[in-house]
Amino acid sequence: EAQVTQNPRYLITVTGKKLTVTCSQNMNHEYMSWYRQDPGLGLRQIYYSMNVEVTDKGDVPEGYKVSRKEKRNFPLILESPSPNQTSLYFCASSSADRGEKLFFGSGTQLSVL
Amino acid sequence: AQSVTQLDSQVPVFEEAPVELRCNYSSSVSVYLFWYVQYPNQGLQLLLKYLSGSTLVESINGFEAEFNKSQTSFHLRKPSVHISDTAEYFCAALNTGFQKLVFGTGTRLLVSP
Repeated sequence: EAQVTQNPRYLITVTGKKLTVTCSQNMNHEYMSWYRQDPGLGLRQIYYSMNVEVTDKGDVPEGYKVSRKEKRNFPLILESPSPNQTSLYFCASSSADRGEKLFFGSGTQLSVL
Repeated sequence: AQSVTQLDSQVPVFEEAPVELRCNYSSSVSVYLFWYVQYPNQGLQLLLKYLSGSTLVESINGFEAEFNKSQTSFHLRKPSVHISDTAEYFCAALNTGFQKLVFGTGTRLLVSP
C-alpha cells in the first residue's frame, strides 16, 4: 500500500530537548516536504527536498533542520524546541511531476512545554 | 508572491443542501489548482485538481470546481452535501514557473442533520 509514515503521532516535550520526527515513503518519490498546520494559518511549508542530498528552505524554516540521506526518508529535527513550535506537523511526498498529487502522512501533534 | 485566499473559515450547512467553498488565487503566470480535504485526525487527501483543458473538474464523491481565469477563482461546489462531508477543505495553487505549492488557510465545512 502506498503510504507516507510519520512517527510519532503525538509528542510532548520540554523546551530545549532535541527531538526528531521521522518520515518515510514507499513510493520512490523524489519530492518530500514538511508542513506545519496552525489554526487560522493553514499549512506552511518548513523545508522541502527535490531528491537525495537536495534540500531547501520553505516559508518557515527557523528552528528546524532536515536531512535527505536516503530517498525514502526525510526526518525533521528540532535541535532546541520552543513553545512556539507547538503545532501539527505533516510530511508529504510526490513524484517529480509537480502536477501530481501530494501524499500526506497522518500527522504529528507536537507540544513543547 | 503567490497567495491563495479562502475567505470563509467555517461554513455550516444542513444535510442535502448545496454548498460552495470559495477560493481565489493571485498569480500572473500559469498555475495548477488543487482542492485537498482533511477529515478529523487525518492527513490531507487530494479531492480534485485543475492542470489544463476543461475548466470544470469533478471528484468521485460529487464535488466539482470550476477554474475561472478572469476572476482568478477555483470555487468548490457540491449540490447536496452529506454528514460525511464534514471536514476541512484546503485550496492550493502551484505556480508552474517556480514549482512552489501554496495553500490557503482552509475552510471548515460543518454538515448537520
